[in-house]
Amino acid sequence: SAVISQKPSRDICQRGTSLTIQCQVDSQVTMMFWYRQQPGQSLTLIATANQGSEATYESGFVIDKFPISRPNLTFSTLTVSNMSPEDSSIYLCSAADTNTEAFFGQGTRLTVV
Amino acid sequence: GDSVTQMEGPVTLSEEAFLTINCTYTATGYPSLFWYVQYPGEGLQLLLKATKADDKGSNKGFEATYRKETTSFHLEKGSVQVSDSAVYFCGTSYGKLTFGQGTILTVHP
Repeated sequence: SAVISQKPSRDICQRGTSLTIQCQVDSQVTMMFWYRQQPGQSLTLIATANQGSEATYESGFVIDKFPISRPNLTFSTLTVSNMSPEDSSIYLCSAADTNTEAFFGQGTRLTVV
Repeated sequence: GDSVTQMEGPVTLSEEAFLTINCTYTATGYPSLFWYVQYPGEGLQLLLKATKADDKGSNKGFEATYRKETTSFHLEKGSVQVSDSAVYFCGTSYGKLTFGQGTILTVHP
């Protein structure tokens, strides 16, 4: 199994600012993903973080708003840019290899005021 | 694309009651199926999984059987505890998961 460390675990941010969330996996993994979980809702996939190339975004999410980096097979960042209160959510990092289950970080609870 | 439909919650039970949370899916091919649990203030943890038809996943007293004929993967537990109170998510596929909407379970003493 993979252990995923996410930070910060929570933050309160001013609208208009940006926050970068870090995700560190304790072993090399093929796939990394970023999800959003709005209050009382299920998880929505934001994007697949691709190592060495641009992330693949799901419908409704764009790179300008959620830039993602993945410099190697164990690390990824998600930035929430130009935040508004609607961005208040839990952001979750996930990692998986081919034919294994996905493992999740503890999540980052973001509040935008 | 894949989709998952879960029984709507919230579900409220007394301790030692029988639990069923329904999950049905649509997918191309034969996906792997998962149940994840999210305890308050925490991330998701894998509860159990099944990778092919008729497989039964089990963990911590929970069970789910992969039923290809009914495209279902219902979660069951014979006797729930207060500590089982959490949100349960059904999901399909490896890696890039498709999740159901989640079911909130509250167990009272």
